[in-house]
Parts: sequence; C-alpha cells; structure tokens
Amino acid sequence: AQTVTQSQPEMSVQEAETVTLSCTYDTSESDYYLFWYKQPPSRQMILVIRQEAYKQQNATENRFSVNFQKAAKSFSLKISDSQLGDAAMYFCAYRSARVGGTASKLTFGTGTRLQVTL
Amino acid sequence: DGGITQSPKYLFRKEGQNVTLSCEQNLNHDAMYWYRQDPGQGLRLIYYSQIVNDFQKGDIAEGYSVSREKKESFPLTVTSAQKNPTAFYLCASKVAGGQFDEQFFGPGTRLTVL
Repeated sequence: AQTVTQSQPEMSVQEAETVTLSCTYDTSESDYYLFWYKQPPSRQMILVIRQEAYKQQNATENRFSVNFQKAAKSFSLKISDSQLGDAAMYFCAYRSARVGGTASKLTFGTGTRLQVTL
Repeated sequence: DGGITQSPKYLFRKEGQNVTLSCEQNLNHDAMYWYRQDPGQGLRLIYYSQIVNDFQKGDIAEGYSVSREKKESFPLTVTSAQKNPTAFYLCASKVAGGQFDEQFFGPGTRLTVL
C-alpha cells in the first residue's frame, strides 16, 4: 500500500517570501501521479499543482512549483512571493497510474498548515 | 456553473440514529468518492463509485453505506454502527479512467454526534 508523509505539521512564512513544504511517499509502483491540494479556512479543497512521475521536468503553476525527486520519493511544494491568501492547509496526495479498482483513489498526507505573516 | 454540492453544511445526530449526507454533481463525471477528514489524519477514503449502480469500499467503509442510482448523485449514510462518526465529510468526483485528471471536491458536511 502507498503512504504519503508530510513531516511539517505547521509552517510560517512572511508575505512576499518563499516557503517550501515537504512531502515524501512510499510506493512500489513506477508510474503514478502526485498532487498538492490547498484547503483554506472555507475547507474547500483546491488543486494547486500536479506532477506525472514519468516526467522529469518539475511542474510549475504561476507562483507554485514542485521539486520532484523520484529516486528519493520526494515531492516538495515551493510557494514564491507568498500572499496572505496562501494561508491554508496543504495536502500532498498520491494516485496510482493503474486503472481500475482502488487505483483511482487519492492517498493523502496529514497536511501542513501554512501561516502567512505580514 | 458546474460543480459539486453537499448538503447540509452542518448536521447533528443523536447516538443510535442513521443520517444521510447528500452529494450532487453536474460535471457529468462518472467517478464519485466520499472521504472523511479528521484532525491530524488527512483525508481517508470511505466509498467510491466508478459508474452508476456500482460502488466499492474504500479504506474505512465500516459503519457507512452508499448508493449510486443516478450519475449525478452519490449519497452517504452514516449508520449507528459507525463508532466515531463526528468528522468532516468531503465528496469528490472526476472523469473516470483519467488518472492524471483533477478530482473536484464539494464544500463538505460537518457531522457532529451529540
């Protein structure tokens, strides 16, 4: 079974600074997908960024980028130019590339609460 | 606007009662999911459905039941057999088969057992 670990329960960053949230995962599969979801105080889950494991190039979405290290099974999220609206819980998630059965489910980490200070 | 709706937003239940949480989507998605969120534990899968009239147990299905009679609806019943039902429940949907596709989430239902 796959597991996802987020070892930082809470992080803090000053506005306009850069912060990196860590995520490691354990899997025996070679093909899979990784996601970062944001959950603001409204509790609505919002997809931030996603990465295909067979792609070496790190995904980027505006101020959000990932550092994907497949051999190390690491998938960290970097937020540049942090804004007050970035304050939220951030969840790392794994999905198998297999089709069928439970393969389509997302396996989540326990989350990192990000505070953004002035 | 396309999206997922969950109702009610807050739900209170007495011990020993069954309660049903509603989830409706108009995204034309085949796959639908129910997750439970507890503090410090992330989201855990309860049940999922890939197609109408078919559903499978997730990681923590005991004490829960679902139905999928219509493509757009996937209600979750929390039965009296669920020993610790107080939690935040999230419904999600996605296009079936596309493993890289985004899973969209509803706004959630907070269930409290009194």
